[in-house]
Amino acid sequence: DVVMTQSPLSLPVTLGQPASISCRSSQSLVHSDGNTYLNWFQQRPGQSPRRLIYKVSNRDSGVPDRFSGSGSGTDFTLKISRVEAEDVGVYYCMQATHWPPATFGQGTRLEIK
Amino acid sequence: EVQLVESGGGLGQPGGSLRLSCAASGFTFSSYSMKWVRQAPGKGLEWVSYISSSSSTIYYVDSVKGRFTISRDNAKNSLYLQMNSLRAEDTAVYYCARDRLGSLWGQGTLVTVSS
Repeated sequence: DVVMTQSPLSLPVTLGQPASISCRSSQSLVHSDGNTYLNWFQQRPGQSPRRLIYKVSNRDSGVPDRFSGSGSGTDFTLKISRVEAEDVGVYYCMQATHWPPATFGQGTRLEIK
Repeated sequence: EVQLVESGGGLGQPGGSLRLSCAASGFTFSSYSMKWVRQAPGKGLEWVSYISSSSSTIYYVDSVKGRFTISRDNAKNSLYLQMNSLRAEDTAVYYCARDRLGSLWGQGTLVTVSS
């Protein structure tokens, strides 16, 4: 199975400051169809996960443009340009290229400093 | 409103059974593959099972193979997870999610396996 490794696991950020989460995979996530199935999810406290980004860099409908995804191959990043209070929660990357099973990172807990 | 609503969770005995349901609304359920993902208390997300839109393709994580069965009824806009031979390690919130990339998630249903 593909192992997804996120860092940091805890991310204290001052309101209005940028934040960055790294996700690395144990093998390239480029699919034979040319797509890279790397997605990012946000889980606010007490809520279910919500997808923010799909296929590396495509923002879902309703997701603020302060969220952006980038990367290629085995190295990916989720960036928040200016953190707001509503961004508190746990962020997960997930690969769906080499599946089954789809695999998730351990999660990164973002908190306000 | 586009949504998924899970039900059927609760307390299950070790070795016992539970059946989870997921009701879809607001979108053409029959056009989408579906999956179950679980989250043990205080832990991360774990993909459990997948079913294609026509039920022709089904996958399970190794830890539930032979014990869990995923199914769907497109006429009823519903997804199911039959959980047999329950173990303590199956204790988790179970989410249904739309398609392979998880574009939409339900609110989850808690399954607790304990005697």
